[in-house]
Amino acid sequence: AQSVTQLDSQVPVFEEAPVELRCNYSSSVSVYLFWYVQYPNQGLQLLLKYLSGSTLVESINGFEAEFNKSQTSFHLRKPSVHISDTAEYFCAVSARTSGSRLTFGEGTQLTVNP
Amino acid sequence: GAGVSQSPSNKVTEKGKDVELRCDPISGHTALYWYRQSLGQGLEFLIYFQGNSAPDKSGLPSDRFSAERTGGSVSTLTIQRTQQEDSAVYLCASSLAVNTGELFFGEGSRLTVL
Repeated sequence: AQSVTQLDSQVPVFEEAPVELRCNYSSSVSVYLFWYVQYPNQGLQLLLKYLSGSTLVESINGFEAEFNKSQTSFHLRKPSVHISDTAEYFCAVSARTSGSRLTFGEGTQLTVNP
Repeated sequence: GAGVSQSPSNKVTEKGKDVELRCDPISGHTALYWYRQSLGQGLEFLIYFQGNSAPDKSGLPSDRFSAERTGGSVSTLTIQRTQQEDSAVYLCASSLAVNTGELFFGEGSRLTVL
């Protein structure tokens, strides 16, 4: 079985500041890793994913995450946030050997203040 | 349709009543998932369909919960004899490819049990 721990439930930052949302996972098998985002009053949508290859993956809106196998982490970062990045962010993991069942963390609420 | 459609968007019911929640996945998506999102908690996996079969229903919290999928498309999640602890947002997601974890979520059905 897999588990995901998001270390911060709330992260308030000012606009244009850098941000890191932390995610650690536990698994006895190799995994795929994901970040999903839920904007206010919207459904969850995929932000970025790590399946294989380069351990640094990027989204189209400036977020990036790096898969660190030794530390079992997949932290999400952005060098300069915007008000529009305010949302809840979920880290998720699925085992490579099974179907696409995702195990989610409890979420991190990112609030960007002017 | 263009996205995953769920109905009803909001349901208020009395304790002990049965409820049905419907999910219409993206056309052509063979995998369909149900998750539950309770206040202050992460996403809890309920059940997964591949076509019309459910290889993984381990997340259903009790025998009051059941789900079916017909024609490889629409799915219904049924909760019998609802309890107050069933109050949550029930999320449906679908995916095209197995084992990539790229799920497309609906906006959810918010269930309130009085």
